[in-house]
Parts: sequence; C-alpha cells; structure tokens
Amino acid sequence: RKEVEQDPGPFNVPEGATVAFNCTYSNSASQSFFWYRQDCRKEPKLLMSVYSSGNEDGRFTAQLNRASQYISLLIRDSKLSDSATYLCVVNLGGYNKLIFGAGTRLAVHP
Amino acid sequence: EAGVAQSPRYKIIEKRQSVAFWCNPISGHATLYWYQQILGQGPKLLIQFQNNGVVDDSQLPKDRFSAERLKGVDSTLKIQPAKLEDSAVYLCASSLGGANSNQPQHFGDGTRLSIL
Repeated sequence: RKEVEQDPGPFNVPEGATVAFNCTYSNSASQSFFWYRQDCRKEPKLLMSVYSSGNEDGRFTAQLNRASQYISLLIRDSKLSDSATYLCVVNLGGYNKLIFGAGTRLAVHP
Repeated sequence: EAGVAQSPRYKIIEKRQSVAFWCNPISGHATLYWYQQILGQGPKLLIQFQNNGVVDDSQLPKDRFSAERLKGVDSTLKIQPAKLEDSAVYLCASSLGGANSNQPQHFGDGTRLSIL
C-alpha cells in the first residue's frame, strides 16, 4: 500500500465549478499535512497547510480527518489558472521528512 | 530573497555515464533535501542533510548515487553509472529548521535528466 494515495484524475471542470480532491495516508503517526501545487514542468510549491479544525484560504478549503487518515481539498469558483497537479503531502516528523502523493491533475476549461 | 538554485536545468547522457547536479539552498537554511521525481509520480526523497550531516538516506541507491554537502551550504548529487530508470527530474529543496521544526520546504526548478 502506498504511504499517500490520491486519485490521479484528470479532473476536467468548467470555469466557476467547485471541485474536491481526496487523499488517504497510511502512517497514523504522521504529524502534519499539506497540499502542494505543481504546474507542468515546474517545481512543487506549498499551497496550504491542513489542520484538523479545517482551514480556508480564499477559494481553497482543506480538511483533515485523523481518525480516518483522510485529507481533502476543495476549490470553489475554479479559474483557468487553477489548472495544475495537486500533491497531497504528509510530514512524518523527525527531521521534517515529507512523503508526497502522486498528485491529482486538474484541468479547468472555459 | 533568492530561491533555491540548481544547475544544470537539463542533462542528457548515455547509460553507464556519470552525471552530477549542484544545488545552492536559500541562505540560512540548515536542512537540504534531494528528491527524485519520475514522470507521473510525486517527488521521492533521496537524501536529507542537516547542515553537513546526513539525517536520512534510506531511499538513496547507494551503489550508484552519492551526495555531499561539505561546508553545510551547497550540495552535489552524483549518479555513476547511470541507468535508464534514472531518467527523472531531480529536485533540491531547503528549509530553515531541523528536527520537529515543521518548516515549509522551498524547491528549486530541478534538473531534468534523460538517459539514452
């Protein structure tokens, strides 16, 4: 079983749509959680951290369910510029070791 | 603030040849990471340095890969000899803190390696 599992997509949605990505992780000792965004042929960039209480950053909402070992990302009012791969990332602690999922590809069309 | 610098951006070599990548982290960042990202996959940690010491190299294929960070700043990653399956993007990242710091990692642009 992979340590971090994501649906690879692609998710093809029209502008203005709401889209949700899910992710599960296997290590119950994982300490912190993130979503990174990676544009085609670019490096990953931190999108947002994920907290148990849920957190929101503009059109983006992230949720964590530690009991189910499940992380989600909701994007509202999708823009063309949201087209990218979204990587679910788990921090195992210790020396800040990150485990990346394979990513979910999002394509927003006019 | 200058970001993580990597070179070269692209490299094409034949199998069994050797290759080296260079990384200069963000100034003041104690922790440096090398990742391998194969097409269609997420980045996989190869090796992690805290200053000039290795704290995790559990996924580094040590028969062919080596890395060093002699003065606790710049780092080089070497592959010798290269295999076809080493074709990937090699990403360097750095972060401020050490153990349990939970500091964000900042990535360089990566080196895209193609093995012929």
